[in-house]
Amino acid sequence: QKEVEQDPGPLSVPEGAIVSLNCTYSNSAFQYFMWYRQYSRKGPELLMYTYSSGNKEDGRFTAQVDKSSKYISLFIRDSQPSDSATYLCAMSAGNTGKLIFGQGTTLQVKP
Amino acid sequence: NAGVTQTPKFRILKIGQSMTLQCTQDMNHNYMYWYRQDPGMGLKLIYYSVGAGITDKGEVPNGYNVSRSTTEDFPLRLELAAPSQTSVYFCASSWDRVTGELFFGEGSRLTVL
Repeated sequence: QKEVEQDPGPLSVPEGAIVSLNCTYSNSAFQYFMWYRQYSRKGPELLMYTYSSGNKEDGRFTAQVDKSSKYISLFIRDSQPSDSATYLCAMSAGNTGKLIFGQGTTLQVKP
Repeated sequence: NAGVTQTPKFRILKIGQSMTLQCTQDMNHNYMYWYRQDPGMGLKLIYYSVGAGITDKGEVPNGYNVSRSTTEDFPLRLELAAPSQTSVYFCASSWDRVTGELFFGEGSRLTVL
């Protein structure tokens, strides 16, 4: 079993839709949870960061962490074609500096 | 402010050849990392460094070597290239080893034939 599982998609939605991206994990020591966005042929860039359980909102993006279920989500409201990218979840136990990444979900938002 | 710079962007190697992927950062970060990304497989950590003179293995270190003689530079050496090393390689740096905010370069695409 992989430490972090993420459905690779691809996921295709119409512009304006609400998008839900998810990851599950098995290591209960993970405390730091991140979402990275990666455009085609570019390096990943940090989109959202959450410590422990709870929600965090930044504009059209909301990150949720449920440690009891070992499940994290990223919601994108009013999705735009510019949101078309691969979204990678990542997590860390915090004491090693090493991130474990999910496979990434490829999202396409159609105009 | 250039951030993390990787060279070369593209390279084709023959089996058994060696090469070095260069990585430089200008943010004065202590922590630097090398990842490889294969299609549909996410990012796998190859090596990392917590400061000049200190390196350690990640998940997939076999076939690679690193050095960290300065804060700015973290080159990745491939010895005796194999087709299994065909991948996109990303260098990253961070100021904090705990929270995981990594700054990535644009990647180096390597093909071994």
